[in-house]
Amino acid sequence: DVVMTQTPLSSPVTLGQPASISCRSSQSLVHSDGNTYLSWLQQRPGQPPRLLIYKISNRFSGVPDRFSGSGAGTDFTLKISRVEAEDVGVYYCMQATQSPTFGQGTKLEIK
Amino acid sequence: QVQLQESGPGLVKPSETLSLTCTVSGGSVSSASYYWSWIRQPPGKGLEWIGYISYSGSTNYNPSLKSRVTVSVDTSKNQFSLNLSSVTAADTAVYYCARVPGDWGQGTLVTVSS
Repeated sequence: DVVMTQTPLSSPVTLGQPASISCRSSQSLVHSDGNTYLSWLQQRPGQPPRLLIYKISNRFSGVPDRFSGSGAGTDFTLKISRVEAEDVGVYYCMQATQSPTFGQGTKLEIK
Repeated sequence: QVQLQESGPGLVKPSETLSLTCTVSGGSVSSASYYWSWIRQPPGKGLEWIGYISYSGSTNYNPSLKSRVTVSVDTSKNQFSLNLSSVTAADTAVYYCARVPGDWGQGTLVTVSS
């Protein structure tokens, strides 16, 4: 199994300030087809997960441009340029290069 | 935007089979480039992928659940389904269906209890 490790597990952030979450995989996520199947999901309290970013850096439909993804190989980052109140929740990275696995989740909260 | 809706019993007895269906609207389960997936989340915990079926009908399952899981598709109804056999209390979770990458259903809580 590919193990996904997120840091930090909890992130208190001031409204309007940036936030960053890291995700590291135990193996390279580059697929034999050349793509890297690394996604980021947001789960607001009491809600189902929602896709934010796929294939490292592609924003899904309707996702605000304050969310961005970057990285390569085994190290990936989700950045929020200016945190808003509606961004509170748990963020997960997910790889689908091999049988899918998720990170443990990072809880984003407002200071 | 594709919408997905899970349906099935909310209570299953130990040792029985959990069966859920996901109805897809606004899109087709025959669409290429997507994996029609089941994921679960035990109360207060993180996400666990269960398995998926592709547009071509090929399946892939979580190795830890593989012996108990079947995912199938009914293109005539635009639905896909999950069967998880020999359930125990450890299988109690919110079960989500999802189009990966893409939209997720709202989830349905399944409790395993006698």
